[in-house]
Parts: sequence; C-alpha cells; structure tokens
Amino acid sequence: LAKTTQPISMDSYEGQEVNITCSHNNIATNDYITWYQQFPSQGPRFIIQGYKTKVTNEVASLFIPADRKSSTLSLPRVSLSDTAVYYCLVGVRGSYIPTFGRGTSLIVHP
Amino acid sequence: DAGVTQSPTHLIKTRGQQVTLRCSPKSGHDTVSWYQQALGQGPQFIFQYYEEEERQRGNFPDRFSGHQFPNYSSELNVNALLLGDSALYLCASSLWRPLNSPLHFGNGTRLTVT
Repeated sequence: LAKTTQPISMDSYEGQEVNITCSHNNIATNDYITWYQQFPSQGPRFIIQGYKTKVTNEVASLFIPADRKSSTLSLPRVSLSDTAVYYCLVGVRGSYIPTFGRGTSLIVHP
Repeated sequence: DAGVTQSPTHLIKTRGQQVTLRCSPKSGHDTVSWYQQALGQGPQFIFQYYEEEERQRGNFPDRFSGHQFPNYSSELNVNALLLGDSALYLCASSLWRPLNSPLHFGNGTRLTVT
C-alpha cells in the first residue's frame, strides 16, 4: 500500500495558480497516481491520472518527477468554484486497498 | 450517458435496524465499489464487486454485506445498525480492466442512525 501525504489545507485567491503536492515515497512500479475533487455532499470526481512526467487535461495538470515519489496537481487560475477537497490516490486495482486519507481542503478567496 | 446513481438520497433508521442501499453504475462499467464517508473524513473502502462476487474488502465487520446483479447494479446491506454507522455511503463504478481505471462516484446516500 502506497501511503500518501498531503497538506491538510491550502488557501488561494481567484485567478492564481494552485499547486497541491502529494508525497508517496513507497510507490510501486505498476502504481498510477490519481487525483479526485470533492464538493460538500457530493461524491468525489475524477480530475486527472498519470504514471510519469506530465499529464494535462482541460481542468488541471499533473507533474510527476522521475523518481515518482511525489506528484503535484496544478490548477491554473482558480475560481471560487474550485473550493473543494482534493484527494491523491496511488495504486492500481488489486494491489492496494483504495485509501483516500483526509485530502487537502482548498479554499479560494475572492 | 447516465453517471452513477444511488438511492435513496437520504435515510433515517433506528439503531438495530437493517438498511439496503442501491447503486446503478455508469453505463459501460462492470465493477462497483462501496465507500463510507464520515463527516470531515475521506471515503473509507468497504468492498468491491465484479462478476457478482466480492473481490476485495476493507476493514469493515460482517454486518456490512453486498451484492452485485447481472446488470452490474449493486446493493449494500448493513445489519444491526449502530449510531456510528451514520455517514455518507458512496458507490463508485469503474472498469475491471485496465487496472488503473478511475473511479466514478455517485452523490451518495446520507444515512442517519438514531
């Protein structure tokens, strides 16, 4: 099981770029890194997934260094609607018990 | 394309009773997982079903049981409810293959045990 460590909370302002880093020192060779976003009273929503280097989609980028012991979720120009809890999961089906942890609570201020 | 749907959205039960929660997976998905989320905590994995069999289980007592039907929908049953079972119960669907298939969640069932 690849244990992950994330900051408990972060604050930002509208229009800024936000970077949330997740540490996963014992990541296994076959593990993927997946990030989810959760709003109050809703289920988590898949944001982005990567294995190595950089992945970008329409909402975020994921940066993974060569040693894969950490990853950084980058949210460009955040808005108030990006206020949510962000979770980092590491692993693949069958190799781990999917554990979300407490995630990072991001608050975006006007 | 319907996403994951769960029913009911809210439920109030009395301690000692039994409850059944239902989940329909996202179209095309064949694997269903259930999670329990207490207030202020991350989702905790209960179990996962594929081909109508429980494939993986988290650290939950036998009071928690499930079922998957041939159409891939699933039920979560909790017997002998305790006050501590009050939580948001989330269903997530995915593909069995590839192994890194992301989870797609419903909006959950809020269970209150009094």
